[in-house]
Amino acid sequence: GENVEQHPSTLSVQEGDSAVIKCTYSDSASNYFPWYKQELGKGPQLIIDIRSNVGEKKDQRIAVTLNKTAKHFSLHITETQPEDSAVYFCAASRGGGADGLTFGKGTHLIIQP
Amino acid sequence: KAGVTQTPRYLIKTRGQQVTLSCSPISGHRSVSWYQQTPGQGLQFLFEYFSETQRNKGNFPGRFSGRQFSNSRSEMNVSTLELGDSALYLCASSYLGTQGGEQYFGPGTRLTVT
Repeated sequence: GENVEQHPSTLSVQEGDSAVIKCTYSDSASNYFPWYKQELGKGPQLIIDIRSNVGEKKDQRIAVTLNKTAKHFSLHITETQPEDSAVYFCAASRGGGADGLTFGKGTHLIIQP
Repeated sequence: KAGVTQTPRYLIKTRGQQVTLSCSPISGHRSVSWYQQTPGQGLQFLFEYFSETQRNKGNFPGRFSGRQFSNSRSEMNVSTLELGDSALYLCASSYLGTQGGEQYFGPGTRLTVT
């Protein structure tokens, strides 16, 4: 089955700086890659996603890039703010009636004031 | 539009008992997927229901089961509870489900087995 590796497990950045979280996947048939943000006591919130026919997608301060050849994708957050502090999860899915989302282990992002 | 709701939010059960968790998806969504979240294993896919039929299943024992009703609400049942079943159980609502649609999660049910 699919395996998703996520790095780093903890990331501390100064407010206003950029943060980058990286994930690799194993199944070349995966074609959908969402990113979720989870705050304490809440369920994961979908923040951005990308499909395999696209190399990059942006939404205000958040961007995701995908390299299908290398089988890795990354989340970029610019101009970080205190409210960006949370645990971020990447995931991969084959779609087409496959096995649900396979998640990475998560990255705890800490924004230092 | 109202989000995904899960009830109850917290539950404490004893080993050997069974438990039923409920999930109401976003209006118009036909797919409900269930996930287990633990500190050690992270987020793991349990199963998906789409239009009242189980469409996909993860690698969990048969003690974990579910169903979906005609109004798309879903229930998950765990029988013969074990200590290792203590986890946050999340349901995700989607229009297309695992066919590649966006999945929106509820707040989860925190299950503690003693």
